[in-house]
Amino acid sequence: GAVVSQHPSRVICKSGTSVKIECRSLDFQATTMFWYRQFPKQSLMLMATSNEGSKATYEQGVEKDKFLINHASLTLSTLTVTSAHPEDSSFYICSAFGQGALNEQFFGPGTRLTVL
Amino acid sequence: RKEVEQDPGPFNVPEGATVAFNCTYSNSASQSFFWYRQDCRKEPKLLMSVYSSGNEDGRFTAQLNRASQYISLLIRDSKLSDSATYLCVAPDGGGADGLTFGKGTHLIIQP
Repeated sequence: GAVVSQHPSRVICKSGTSVKIECRSLDFQATTMFWYRQFPKQSLMLMATSNEGSKATYEQGVEKDKFLINHASLTLSTLTVTSAHPEDSSFYICSAFGQGALNEQFFGPGTRLTVL
Repeated sequence: RKEVEQDPGPFNVPEGATVAFNCTYSNSASQSFFWYRQDCRKEPKLLMSVYSSGNEDGRFTAQLNRASQYISLLIRDSKLSDSATYLCVAPDGGGADGLTFGKGTHLIIQP
């Protein structure tokens, strides 16, 4: 199946710093990627839809100035958590639609962010 | 807001038994649904898709009841490796849209 990678897999940072997470589709082109967040014992929550070459669409309650999304190419989307705070500590997962797959999203392995 | 509700469990089931759990959804316009499996600290992986009344794949059967707006997942002859969290998922809309996840049902298969 299609492969989606994320980097880094784990990051620990100090409060106030910015963290960039990369999401890559390795063997297909993804015009649309999604960013999800999962807090402990909670379900995945869609944060934003990332469209190649255009601005991301954010879900209600997600601050676009805090979670910067860039989808500069058909295989790469980045999520930057700006001025991270402890409450931003979470598991961030990206996903992308595979080519020819009806509504099937392929998920990256996730990035665990811990803000001290 | 679109809702997908699941019993969080945990469901403790002896190995070899049959287990079933349901999921209810609020968006009556949803046409397709999915069951994902998520292991601890891992990303969710697609288990089954449900586009019409149901789908069967080996030991797993998913059924859709549009009138009552619920989806079920049945696991027969459960294995220890089936222990995981099972997420019920509905697309937010048509085409390339995000997904709405239920909170998941935690399943523990006991030897």
